[in-house]
Amino acid sequence: QITLRESGPTLVKPTQTLTLTCTFSGFSLSTSGMGVGWIRQSPGKALEWLALIYWDDDKHYSPSLKSRVTIIKDTSKNQVVLIMTNMDPVDTATYYCAHMRGGSYGRFDPWGQGTLVTVSS
Amino acid sequence: SYELTQPPSVSVSPGQTASITCSGDKLGDKYACWYQQKPGQSPVLVIYQGNKRPSGIPERFSGSNSGNTATLTVSGTQAMDEADYYCQAWDSSTVVFGGGTKLTVL
Repeated sequence: QITLRESGPTLVKPTQTLTLTCTFSGFSLSTSGMGVGWIRQSPGKALEWLALIYWDDDKHYSPSLKSRVTIIKDTSKNQVVLIMTNMDPVDTATYYCAHMRGGSYGRFDPWGQGTLVTVSS
Repeated sequence: SYELTQPPSVSVSPGQTASITCSGDKLGDKYACWYQQKPGQSPVLVIYQGNKRPSGIPERFSGSNSGNTATLTVSGTQAMDEADYYCQAWDSSTVVFGGGTKLTVL
């Protein structure tokens, strides 16, 4: 059974850097075809994809956020880290990590429970 | 950038069939997925590769994808199917989500 859990600060100040950790079990990011992605959802809004990393360290970023986002994996700890710089109140959202199933052009299944991050001074 | 367009809302009576569309340029040439999200919960994959159901997803959920439109169909809709539904596709190694459709079971 695959499970994922997001962790990190619930409150950050504008201009600060956000670091979120996704800790997962039930699969290894050293296995061919595996991937983990980050998706966020502002209150009452649609899902927005942020970043994705594959077992071979291939990384993909949302074009609109590419300058602010970094995704890193730690295979030994079964963790994937999302770093987002220069946080702004508009970045207030629930941040989800999800398992990418099916390799390239796959699908997110399952998702973590999500963590709400508020950006406010 | 690539965009996926969904109707904001769809209403259906219990037991009837609901269809939710997702439109994008040449979407039929891409793999389309659908996610269900109930209030306060994380999204759940209900359809992938256009018309495949993950294990545990009821048979009343089906999908199609052709031309510029992917469609999620819920047959014999139940009250428990009331949720937001999001389509998702790939474009040049980037992931794109639609704006979401609220399915209301009246």
